[in-house]
Amino acid sequence: GIQVEQSPPDLILQEGANSTLRCNFSDSVNNLQWFHQNPWGQLINLFYIPSGTKQNGRLSATTVATERYSLLYISSSQTTDSGVYFCAVLGAGANSKLTFGKGITLSVRP
Amino acid sequence: DVKVTQSSRYLVKRTGEKVFLECVQDMDHENMFWYRQDPGLGLRLIYFSYDVKMKEKGDIPEGYSVSREKKERFSLILESASTNQTSMYLCASSFGPESAWGISYEQYFGPGTRLTVT
Repeated sequence: GIQVEQSPPDLILQEGANSTLRCNFSDSVNNLQWFHQNPWGQLINLFYIPSGTKQNGRLSATTVATERYSLLYISSSQTTDSGVYFCAVLGAGANSKLTFGKGITLSVRP
Repeated sequence: DVKVTQSSRYLVKRTGEKVFLECVQDMDHENMFWYRQDPGLGLRLIYFSYDVKMKEKGDIPEGYSVSREKKERFSLILESASTNQTSMYLCASSFGPESAWGISYEQYFGPGTRLTVT
């Protein structure tokens, strides 16, 4: 099945700093989503972005499907950005299921 | 806004008990999913459903069953709970075609249920 790798596994930032989170995937995809899991375990949808670039406030994401990667940018980070960020993809082949990466744990310090 | 709710945030059950986890979505989504999340193993798909009374096994269906009698509700059943089923359970839903495969719509998740089996 499709492989999803996220990097770096852990990230510590000072409040106000910018960061880039990366998601690599091993095959063509029909769907790519970025989620933020808050400390209570809720998965919050950030972006649905199988290709192209989107922005939502301080967050933006870019997926380059032909090169099989996606980037999530966080600017002017805040302590509430802390948590785990997941990338999940749906492969383009038949019988595909959403496959999650292992996540990136972000800690933003005041 | 899409809303997916789960019946309990925290649940403690004893080994051998029958456990029901309920999930309800209010967006008329065709597809519903149950995942479990464990440290070091990430999110793994247990079962999903693409229509009422339809179900498909995910990656780890053993020890679980599901029920979807109404479009908005998807239940996960642990027939005889065991300690290795202690986990965080997450429900999700999405729009979709009638076919189970080639689903490409955005999935929305509920708040999760932390189940402890003692």
